[in-house]
Amino acid sequence: NAGVTQTPKFQVLKTGQSMTLQCAQDMNHNSMYWYRQDPGMGLRLIYYSASEGTTDKGEVPNGYNVSRLNKREFSLRLESAAPSQTSVYFCASGEGVYEKLFFGSGTQLSVL
Amino acid sequence: GQQLNQSPQSMFIQEGEDVSMNCTSSSIFNTWLWYKQDPGEGPVLLIALYKAGELTSNGRLTAQFGITRKDSFLNISASIPSDVGIYFCAGHSSGGSYIPTFGRGTSLIVHP
Repeated sequence: NAGVTQTPKFQVLKTGQSMTLQCAQDMNHNSMYWYRQDPGMGLRLIYYSASEGTTDKGEVPNGYNVSRLNKREFSLRLESAAPSQTSVYFCASGEGVYEKLFFGSGTQLSVL
Repeated sequence: GQQLNQSPQSMFIQEGEDVSMNCTSSSIFNTWLWYKQDPGEGPVLLIALYKAGELTSNGRLTAQFGITRKDSFLNISASIPSDVGIYFCAGHSSGGSYIPTFGRGTSLIVHP
């Protein structure tokens, strides 16, 4: 059972470069999420998708775009990376009326 | 948005000691969830609580849903080195979204 799979595990970008973080889940969950984790700030929600074909902004959406490609896949794109986007990014999927989230192992991104 | 106050922010303890941490909110919550994040990994759900006063155990871990519905507690008995990590509380506020709100985490270090 893979659960939630994120790629890549590590990435270094230069300011202004673009990249897409990939996420896939094999638990048939309707909802998927992208969080960023910074020291002392906990987990902050960037974007989420309640179901295939829908996406909504979370707490910190600026500088990011997302695509819910199908029920399994939810990607996060940085169009023009900035040093402030250096962080650890987690994808998650959720089940239940009161969502229990299942997280991937994260992508550590550094923007120089 | 909704905020959860999680304390303490960090703990440094000796192996074998018991650990207590808590999470409080200014509003009523319908659920409380406790997650653990091992170093370099994504958070994993430990315990989910759904009723005021509920007390649930998972091995050496015990969590309680506060009677006021505004707080929750996590206790770890007889800590061991593999308990090291960040513990997050999360929950769903009454009348709020299905998306859980996360605390900022308690970082636990266990000295052998």
